[in-house]
Amino acid sequence: DAKTTQPTSMDCAEGRAANLPCNHSTISGNEYVYWYRQIHSQGPQYIIHGLKNNETNEMASLIITEDRKSSTLILPHATLRDTAVYYCIVRVRTGAGSYQLTFGKGTKLSVIP
Amino acid sequence: NAGVMQNPRHLVRRRGQEARLRCSPMKGHSHVYWYRQLPEEGLKFMVYLQKENIIDESGMPKERFSAEFPKEGPSILRIQQVVRGDSAAYFCASSPLGLDPTDTQYFGPGTRLTVL
Repeated sequence: DAKTTQPTSMDCAEGRAANLPCNHSTISGNEYVYWYRQIHSQGPQYIIHGLKNNETNEMASLIITEDRKSSTLILPHATLRDTAVYYCIVRVRTGAGSYQLTFGKGTKLSVIP
Repeated sequence: NAGVMQNPRHLVRRRGQEARLRCSPMKGHSHVYWYRQLPEEGLKFMVYLQKENIIDESGMPKERFSAEFPKEGPSILRIQQVVRGDSAAYFCASSPLGLDPTDTQYFGPGTRLTVL
């Protein structure tokens, strides 16, 4: 099972910042938080990942709380093309011992004109 | 730099036939992962391979499913004697580092399998 909790859905006005929260209270000290999104039925698109420091790239910013139990993905100026399901992921150890991405239900972000 | 490539993009099979899905990783990536996504659900990990080796197949169904990643050529996910329940989107991902905690997987566009 996924080790993260996200709201089922969110709306955001076009041009405004979209702030997507994620709880990962059981995260271990060396585990990274990954964010992906899936637009309609396309393959998941990598957005950003981080360990403890805030991260920023050309797509988004990732804010991780000091205790690392939660994080927020920020899309600074949402566009209609950002409408997608956003997944916050902490890798889970499989039965065979490797750590793999486990996709929960994510947050369905709707950007409204 | 081309991304992860998968083919075919759409595949239709009748019950009992075989399905072969192919995945070419990004240039420089030697780690490949297969995921399955049923309608209205999240992706589920199936198998992780590194060139010529299966590293983790804990998510693969015990029967009819197999995967390989030969020294030369794409990775293949093979489903024998398909049933209607195999209808799903199958996604492949690749990464450069494998088990490193900073590793990042990049996904292909998927193959949509429909079993009639």
